[in-house]
Amino acid sequence: EVQLLESGGGLVQPGGSLRLSCTGSGLTFRSYAISWVRQAPGKGLEWVSISSGSGANSYYADSVRGRFTISRDNSKNTLYLQMNGLRADDTAIYYCAKAFSEFVLGGAIFFDHWGQGTLVTVSS
Amino acid sequence: EIVMTQSPATLSVSPGERATLSCRASQSVGSNLAWYQQKPGQPPRLLIYDASTRATGIPARFSGVGSGTEFTLTISSLQSEDFAVYYCQQYNNWRPYSFGQGTKLEIK
Repeated sequence: EVQLLESGGGLVQPGGSLRLSCTGSGLTFRSYAISWVRQAPGKGLEWVSISSGSGANSYYADSVRGRFTISRDNSKNTLYLQMNGLRADDTAIYYCAKAFSEFVLGGAIFFDHWGQGTLVTVSS
Repeated sequence: EIVMTQSPATLSVSPGERATLSCRASQSVGSNLAWYQQKPGQPPRLLIYDASTRATGIPARFSGVGSGTEFTLTISSLQSEDFAVYYCQQYNNWRPYSFGQGTKLEIK
């Protein structure tokens, strides 16, 4: 059974940093692109970033580009999201979501497995 | 950016009846369209991909049709566990992988 487990969320002041982790089990981790998708309280889903299976390619939403960095360590079956310059509108549950495909460009980037999410709250 | 627009925002249907949810893309996404179901306090669950292919373990009462810019998710004979929020997502273009704003399916 595929499982994704996020960690690292919490309360941080505006301008601060956090690093989220997503650890996978029950899958060949390096064979799948994995994304971060967030959901602000009471709101819809917003795609944030994606890393290809190898980690060689990554892409970002305009709202986070230049502030967030996605990376992965396939030897540890773990995906990361380094979040710097946090703002109040970054407050959300952050989900990691496994894509159907290994590759991003030209790949089938819909999400067939999701973690339970980790809450990030940006507030003073 | 491709904007996904779902309608209606809220749909009230009685158990046992049919529900029809719509999703429109601001430009063609081909058949690169997925549907998700989300219940309170849970992550989304993949229902449909490639516009019409049911994901593993999804009951046959869920069906998707459409291509280009117009898509429909139909749930025939609603069960109590189907009342949730439904999202569509395009994956034709990563700039960004956009979701619709959601349709809340509630009990009438």
